[in-house]
Amino acid sequence: SQELEQSPQSLIVQEGKNLTINCTSSKTLYGLYWYKQKYGEGLIFLMMLQKGGEEKSHEKITAKLDEKKQQSSLHITASQPSHAGIYLCGAAPPESSNYKLTFGKGTLLTVNP
Amino acid sequence: AAGVIQSPRHLIKEKRETATLKCYPIPRHDTVYWYQQGPGQDPQFLISFYEKMQSDKGSIPDRFSAQQFSDYHSELNMSSLELGDSALYFCASSRQRARNSPLHFGNGTRLTVT
Repeated sequence: SQELEQSPQSLIVQEGKNLTINCTSSKTLYGLYWYKQKYGEGLIFLMMLQKGGEEKSHEKITAKLDEKKQQSSLHITASQPSHAGIYLCGAAPPESSNYKLTFGKGTLLTVNP
Repeated sequence: AAGVIQSPRHLIKEKRETATLKCYPIPRHDTVYWYQQGPGQDPQFLISFYEKMQSDKGSIPDRFSAQQFSDYHSELNMSSLELGDSALYFCASSRQRARNSPLHFGNGTRLTVT
Protein backbone atom coordinates (compact mmCIF):
# COMPACT_ATOMS: atom_id res chain seq x y z
CA SER A 1 0.00 0.00 0.00
CA GLN A 2 1.09 3.54 -0.63
CA GLU A 3 2.54 5.49 2.26
CA LEU A 4 3.03 9.23 2.45
CA GLU A 5 5.59 10.78 4.73
CA GLN A 6 5.30 14.44 5.59
CA SER A 7 8.03 16.64 6.95
CA PRO A 8 8.30 18.40 9.20
CA GLN A 9 5.71 16.99 11.60
CA SER A 10 5.28 20.44 13.09
CA LEU A 11 6.49 23.90 12.28
CA ILE A 12 6.44 27.19 14.19
CA VAL A 13 7.18 30.34 12.22
CA GLN A 14 6.98 34.05 12.78
CA GLU A 15 4.37 35.92 10.81
CA GLY A 16 5.77 37.08 7.50
CA LYS A 17 8.24 34.22 7.13
CA ASN A 18 8.26 31.74 4.25
CA LEU A 19 7.99 28.02 4.86
CA THR A 20 7.97 24.70 2.99
CA ILE A 21 6.24 21.42 3.78
CA ASN A 22 7.25 18.24 2.00
CA CYS A 23 5.34 15.08 1.16
CA THR A 24 7.21 11.99 -0.03
CA SER A 25 5.50 8.91 -1.39
CA SER A 26 6.67 5.30 -1.12
CA LYS A 27 5.26 4.66 -4.60
CA THR A 28 4.91 6.50 -7.88
CA LEU A 29 2.60 9.47 -7.60
CA TYR A 30 -0.24 9.72 -10.08
CA GLY A 31 -1.87 12.64 -8.40
CA LEU A 32 -1.22 14.53 -5.22
CA TYR A 33 -3.74 16.51 -3.20
CA TRP A 34 -3.13 19.10 -0.51
CA TYR A 35 -5.68 19.80 2.20
CA LYS A 36 -5.74 22.07 5.22
CA GLN A 37 -7.53 21.16 8.44
CA LYS A 38 -8.30 23.25 11.47
CA TYR A 39 -8.36 21.20 14.66
CA GLY A 40 -11.57 19.15 14.86
CA GLU A 41 -12.93 20.53 11.60
CA GLY A 42 -13.25 19.36 8.03
CA LEU A 43 -10.53 19.15 5.40
CA ILE A 44 -10.38 22.12 3.08
CA PHE A 45 -9.18 21.35 -0.44
CA LEU A 46 -6.20 23.48 -1.43
CA MET A 47 -4.71 22.09 -4.62
CA MET A 48 -4.46 19.04 -6.82
CA LEU A 49 -1.35 18.20 -8.85
CA GLN A 50 -1.59 15.60 -11.59
CA LYS A 51 1.45 15.90 -13.77
CA GLY A 52 5.14 15.71 -13.08
CA GLY A 53 6.63 19.17 -12.84
CA GLU A 54 3.22 20.72 -12.34
CA GLU A 55 3.11 23.78 -10.14
CA LYS A 56 0.00 25.53 -8.89
CA SER A 57 -0.51 28.64 -6.84
CA HIS A 58 -3.41 30.02 -4.88
CA GLU A 59 -2.92 33.31 -3.13
CA LYS A 60 0.31 32.85 -1.17
CA ILE A 61 0.44 29.07 -1.37
CA THR A 62 2.37 27.23 -4.10
CA ALA A 63 2.55 23.48 -4.58
CA LYS A 64 4.86 21.51 -6.87
CA LEU A 65 4.96 17.88 -7.92
CA ASP A 66 8.26 16.13 -8.64
CA GLU A 67 7.32 12.76 -10.11
CA LYS A 68 10.89 11.47 -10.29
CA LYS A 69 11.44 12.11 -6.62
CA GLN A 70 7.90 10.92 -5.79
CA GLN A 71 7.59 14.11 -3.83
CA SER A 72 5.48 17.21 -3.54
CA SER A 73 6.22 20.44 -1.72
CA LEU A 74 3.90 23.11 -0.40
CA HIS A 75 5.37 26.57 -0.03
CA ILE A 76 3.77 29.45 1.84
CA THR A 77 5.08 32.93 1.22
CA ALA A 78 4.83 35.65 3.85
CA SER A 79 2.89 33.48 6.29
CA GLN A 80 -0.05 34.87 8.24
CA PRO A 81 -1.84 33.61 11.35
CA SER A 82 -4.70 32.54 9.06
CA HIS A 83 -2.35 29.96 7.53
CA ALA A 84 -2.14 28.10 10.82
CA GLY A 85 -3.55 24.59 10.83
CA ILE A 86 -2.73 21.03 9.85
CA TYR A 87 -1.63 20.47 6.26
CA LEU A 88 -2.30 17.03 4.85
CA CYS A 89 -1.12 15.57 1.59
CA GLY A 90 -3.15 12.81 0.00
CA ALA A 91 -2.60 10.46 -2.92
CA ALA A 92 -4.66 7.91 -4.79
CA PRO A 93 -3.14 4.66 -6.10
CA PRO A 94 -3.24 4.27 -9.90
CA GLU A 95 -5.39 1.17 -9.67
CA SER A 96 -8.06 3.05 -7.78
CA SER A 97 -10.79 4.30 -10.01
CA ASN A 98 -12.41 6.09 -7.14
CA TYR A 99 -9.62 8.42 -6.10
CA LYS A 100 -9.90 7.17 -2.54
CA LEU A 101 -7.05 8.94 -0.85
CA THR A 102 -4.33 7.81 1.48
CA PHE A 103 -3.12 10.65 3.67
CA GLY A 104 0.14 11.59 5.28
CA LYS A 105 0.25 12.14 9.04
CA GLY A 106 0.01 15.89 8.55
CA THR A 107 2.15 18.91 9.36
CA LEU A 108 1.00 21.18 12.17
CA LEU A 109 1.76 24.79 11.30
CA THR A 110 1.76 27.52 13.94
CA VAL A 111 2.22 31.12 12.87
CA ASN A 112 3.11 33.52 15.64
CA PRO A 113 1.99 37.13 15.20
CA ALA B 1 -20.97 27.29 -3.42
CA ALA B 2 -22.73 24.27 -1.95
CA GLY B 3 -20.57 22.01 0.17
CA VAL B 4 -20.84 18.51 1.60
CA ILE B 5 -23.33 18.49 4.45
CA GLN B 6 -22.98 16.08 7.35
CA SER B 7 -25.33 15.51 10.23
CA PRO B 8 -25.28 15.50 13.11
CA ARG B 9 -22.20 17.56 13.94
CA HIS B 10 -21.84 15.93 17.32
CA LEU B 11 -23.13 12.64 18.66
CA ILE B 12 -22.75 11.05 22.06
CA LYS B 13 -23.62 7.38 22.45
CA GLU B 14 -23.04 4.69 25.02
CA LYS B 15 -21.24 1.41 24.45
CA ARG B 16 -23.26 -1.17 22.53
CA GLU B 17 -25.64 1.46 21.16
CA THR B 18 -26.13 2.20 17.48
CA ALA B 19 -25.52 5.40 15.54
CA THR B 20 -26.44 6.68 12.09
CA LEU B 21 -24.43 9.37 10.35
CA LYS B 22 -25.75 11.16 7.30
CA CYS B 23 -23.99 12.77 4.37
CA TYR B 24 -25.38 14.96 1.60
CA PRO B 25 -22.87 15.34 -1.26
CA ILE B 26 -22.31 18.37 -3.41
CA PRO B 27 -24.95 18.55 -6.17
CA ARG B 28 -24.00 16.51 -9.27
CA HIS B 29 -21.38 14.57 -7.33
CA ASP B 30 -21.98 10.85 -7.81
CA THR B 31 -19.34 9.36 -5.51
CA VAL B 32 -19.31 9.42 -1.74
CA TYR B 33 -16.46 8.41 0.56
CA TRP B 34 -16.43 7.83 4.31
CA TYR B 35 -13.34 8.43 6.43
CA GLN B 36 -12.60 7.96 10.12
CA GLN B 37 -10.11 10.20 11.91
CA GLY B 38 -9.02 9.26 15.40
CA PRO B 39 -7.44 11.80 17.77
CA GLY B 40 -4.13 12.97 16.36
CA GLN B 41 -4.44 10.58 13.42
CA ASP B 42 -4.74 11.06 9.68
CA PRO B 43 -8.09 10.22 8.07
CA GLN B 44 -8.53 6.53 7.29
CA PHE B 45 -10.67 5.42 4.36
CA LEU B 46 -13.67 3.32 5.34
CA ILE B 47 -15.86 2.81 2.28
CA SER B 48 -17.05 4.49 -0.92
CA PHE B 49 -20.07 4.42 -3.19
CA TYR B 50 -20.50 5.27 -6.84
CA GLU B 51 -23.96 5.55 -8.33
CA LYS B 52 -25.48 3.88 -5.26
CA MET B 53 -23.23 0.83 -5.46
CA GLN B 54 -20.34 0.11 -3.12
CA SER B 55 -17.21 0.85 -5.11
CA ASP B 56 -14.40 0.31 -2.66
CA LYS B 57 -13.88 -0.86 0.87
CA GLY B 58 -11.20 0.06 3.35
CA SER B 59 -10.77 -0.56 7.04
CA ILE B 60 -14.44 -0.58 7.89
CA PRO B 61 -15.42 -2.87 10.79
CA ASP B 62 -18.09 -5.49 10.17
CA ARG B 63 -20.22 -3.69 12.77
CA PHE B 64 -20.50 -0.78 10.37
CA SER B 65 -22.52 -0.64 7.19
CA ALA B 66 -23.27 2.10 4.72
CA GLN B 67 -25.37 2.80 1.69
CA GLN B 68 -26.01 5.46 -0.89
CA PHE B 69 -29.57 6.36 -1.77
CA SER B 70 -31.25 7.36 -5.01
CA ASP B 71 -30.77 11.07 -4.19
CA TYR B 72 -27.04 10.31 -3.70
CA HIS B 73 -27.04 11.00 0.01
CA SER B 74 -25.31 8.37 2.10
CA GLU B 75 -25.68 6.98 5.60
CA LEU B 76 -23.13 5.23 7.78
CA ASN B 77 -24.72 2.87 10.27
CA MET B 78 -22.68 1.85 13.27
CA SER B 79 -23.81 -0.86 15.67
CA SER B 80 -22.47 -2.32 18.92
CA LEU B 81 -20.47 0.83 19.45
CA GLU B 82 -17.16 0.52 21.23
CA LEU B 83 -15.09 3.15 23.03
CA GLY B 84 -12.54 2.95 20.22
CA ASP B 85 -15.14 4.13 17.73
CA SER B 86 -14.91 7.63 19.18
CA ALA B 87 -13.56 9.71 16.32
CA LEU B 88 -14.33 12.29 13.70
CA TYR B 89 -16.19 10.79 10.77
CA PHE B 90 -15.88 12.58 7.48
CA CYS B 91 -17.82 12.23 4.33
CA ALA B 92 -16.38 13.41 1.02
CA SER B 93 -17.83 13.59 -2.44
CA SER B 94 -16.52 13.86 -5.98
CA ARG B 95 -17.54 13.41 -9.59
CA GLN B 96 -15.85 10.14 -10.42
CA ARG B 97 -15.82 10.56 -14.16
CA ALA B 98 -14.17 13.96 -13.93
CA ARG B 99 -10.46 13.33 -13.47
CA ASN B 100 -9.91 16.86 -12.26
CA SER B 101 -12.58 16.53 -9.58
CA PRO B 102 -10.94 16.35 -6.17
CA LEU B 103 -12.58 15.02 -3.04
CA HIS B 104 -14.47 17.67 -1.11
CA PHE B 105 -14.95 16.97 2.56
CA GLY B 106 -17.74 17.85 4.93
CA ASN B 107 -17.13 19.28 8.40
CA GLY B 108 -17.47 15.85 9.94
CA THR B 109 -19.46 14.24 12.71
CA ARG B 110 -17.72 13.96 16.05
CA LEU B 111 -18.81 10.71 17.66
CA THR B 112 -18.13 10.17 21.33
CA VAL B 113 -18.78 6.74 22.79
CA THR B 114 -18.99 6.61 26.58
